[in-house]
Amino acid sequence: AAGVIQSPRHLIKEKRETATLKCYPIPRHDTVYWYQQGPGQDPQFLISFYEKMQSDKGSIPDRFSAQQFSDYHSELNMSSLELGDSALYFCASSLHELAATDTQYFGPGTRLTVL
Amino acid sequence: DAKTTQPNSMESNEEEPVHLPCNHSTISGTDYIHWYRQLPSQGPEYVIHGLTSNVNNRMASLAIAEDRKSSTLILHRATLRDAAVYYCILRDPNTGNQFYFGTGTSLTVIP
Repeated sequence: AAGVIQSPRHLIKEKRETATLKCYPIPRHDTVYWYQQGPGQDPQFLISFYEKMQSDKGSIPDRFSAQQFSDYHSELNMSSLELGDSALYFCASSLHELAATDTQYFGPGTRLTVL
Repeated sequence: DAKTTQPNSMESNEEEPVHLPCNHSTISGTDYIHWYRQLPSQGPEYVIHGLTSNVNNRMASLAIAEDRKSSTLILHRATLRDAAVYYCILRDPNTGNQFYFGTGTSLTVIP
């Protein structure tokens, strides 16, 4: 079965640079979530989208923005990168009408390293 | 969302059952109990979820206390591939569908 696809899988950037992470949800899934997991930490919810509209917002820095496109894929844009942004970034998807009780399916993550 | 409390770590012998506890004394009537696990260097993976009744699936069983203030994830026969961090998460569908991960339980399976 198709899973959530994230690209790139690894990304190395310098401080103050920008980065764009992409997420392709499972086919027919209309809701996308972004999570950040720092080294040795638990995943932290950043933001979610349903039908191209932001649905919930967590601890996403103002330097970050995200959007969902008409094909339901999502991009997380990160600017003025800081050392502390080095983390694993996970995307998850679900079907909105079942989201309350249904599962979220997580991608393999993008490992961002800021030097 | 209501908070959960889990032991930081647990050990189990291979082929033996594992009971992973979770306390959620402030759970509300509309909170669902979700369990996810995260294997090393992988994204979280769904294990099981429930509301009031005990639940079984091919991966595990979820036993929910009658007052819903605690629950237990049961792996019937631990394998080395079950070594992971297990997260117990409460989610109220009325307040959003995102997950707020707490500090899970790191399960070590001993061969």
